[in-house]
Amino acid sequence: QKEVEQNSGPLSVPEGAIASLNCTYSDRGSQSFFWYRQYSGKSPELIMSIYSNGDKEDGRFTAQLNKASQYVSLLIRDSQPSDSATYLCAVTLRSNDYKLSFGAGTTVTVRA
Amino acid sequence: DADVTQTPRNRITKTGKRIMLECSQTKGHDRMYWYRQDPGLGLRLIYYSFDVKDINKGEISDGYSVSRQAQAKFSLSLESAIPNQTALYFCATSDRPLSSGRAVGSYNEQFFGPGTRLTVL
Repeated sequence: QKEVEQNSGPLSVPEGAIASLNCTYSDRGSQSFFWYRQYSGKSPELIMSIYSNGDKEDGRFTAQLNKASQYVSLLIRDSQPSDSATYLCAVTLRSNDYKLSFGAGTTVTVRA
Repeated sequence: DADVTQTPRNRITKTGKRIMLECSQTKGHDRMYWYRQDPGLGLRLIYYSFDVKDINKGEISDGYSVSRQAQAKFSLSLESAIPNQTALYFCATSDRPLSSGRAVGSYNEQFFGPGTRLTVL
């Protein structure tokens, strides 16, 4: 079992729709959860951080964390073509000396 | 100016050559990391350093070495480059956990440099 798993893409959504990305992790001791956006050929950019159960909203992005079920999700509302990118889920694992472990990423394409 | 810079941005070299990739940061972070990214394999940690005197191997350190010259500088070397080291390389930084006024766990936030595209022929 991989430490951090993301739903396989690619995910294609029409402009204005909601894109939903999911991520599960294996270590119940994980403390910090992040979503990075990465455009093709560019470096990952941190877009959301979440540390406690529940929802966290930032503009059109909402991160949801459920530690009991060991998943974290990212919702992108009113998707725009500029949201087309690969989204990486990252988790700090107690078993990994609290370094970040990354999922393989989900590629999102927003259709105009 | 960018907080995390990497040089060079692109490099083409031949098998057997020694290559050094450099990373500098102005964020004042203690922790620095080197990752490589290959298509379909995600980000993999090569080496990391929690301070100038603390350097640790990551999951794929074979064939690589590092040097932490100062808090702000962390270099990655390929002593004898081989074609399967062709990849995109990223440097990243993060803060240390004892900073006051920060959210729990926020010290794990990592900030990435622009990357170096390395091709080994």
